[in-house]
Amino acid sequence: QKEVEQNSGPLSVPEGAIASLNCTYSDRGSQSFFWYRQYSGKSPELIMFIYSNGDKEDGRFTAQLNKASQYVSLLIRDSQPSDSATYLCAALYGNNRLAFGKGNQVVVIP
Amino acid sequence: DAGVIQSPRHEVTEMGQEVTLRCKPISGHDYLFWYRQTMMRGLELLIYFNNNVPIDDSGMPEDRFSAKMPNASFSTLKIQPSEPRDSAVYFCASSFGRGGIRDEQFFGPGTRLTVL
Repeated sequence: QKEVEQNSGPLSVPEGAIASLNCTYSDRGSQSFFWYRQYSGKSPELIMFIYSNGDKEDGRFTAQLNKASQYVSLLIRDSQPSDSATYLCAALYGNNRLAFGKGNQVVVIP
Repeated sequence: DAGVIQSPRHEVTEMGQEVTLRCKPISGHDYLFWYRQTMMRGLELLIYFNNNVPIDDSGMPEDRFSAKMPNASFSTLKIQPSEPRDSAVYFCASSFGRGGIRDEQFFGPGTRLTVL
């Protein structure tokens, strides 16, 4: 069973602050990792992917990967109310399948 | 491209009725995935196809669920008979699957199913 764990509860951050989300994965063979954003009542949309150890930055988003610890994180800098959503972590494994975590809800308070 | 298209967007039915969900993937995508999302279980993969062939249906909860992909531009997920516990949002997604590490899955808008 390929598992992705996102254990943190809802995260409330003030506007302009940094939101930090974490996930762990069980399959050491996973090579690529994705962060999807899902607004309430909408479908998931990809915001970041990472496959190399270290950091990857895209605008206000930074993904971090540590394969030794099987740990992926997402930082949202200068959080905006429009960032209020659920963030899903996913790991890619054999035959192009994704295993998703249950998601973390982020609420940005103006 | 219009993206992944799903129909209907909402479906309300009574227990015991047959439900058919439809999906049109993005043109040129080789992989098609059916997911179910609930608050309790999150996003679960039910079945996926590669070049119209079912590859893994181990996520299908029971024999009441079936899926087909008769051609590259159309897939159905059928529930017969439906039960209240099938109430969820069902997403279809597609991807290129041409190899390589990055293989983004594009999701359709989903079908919100309510079984009374």
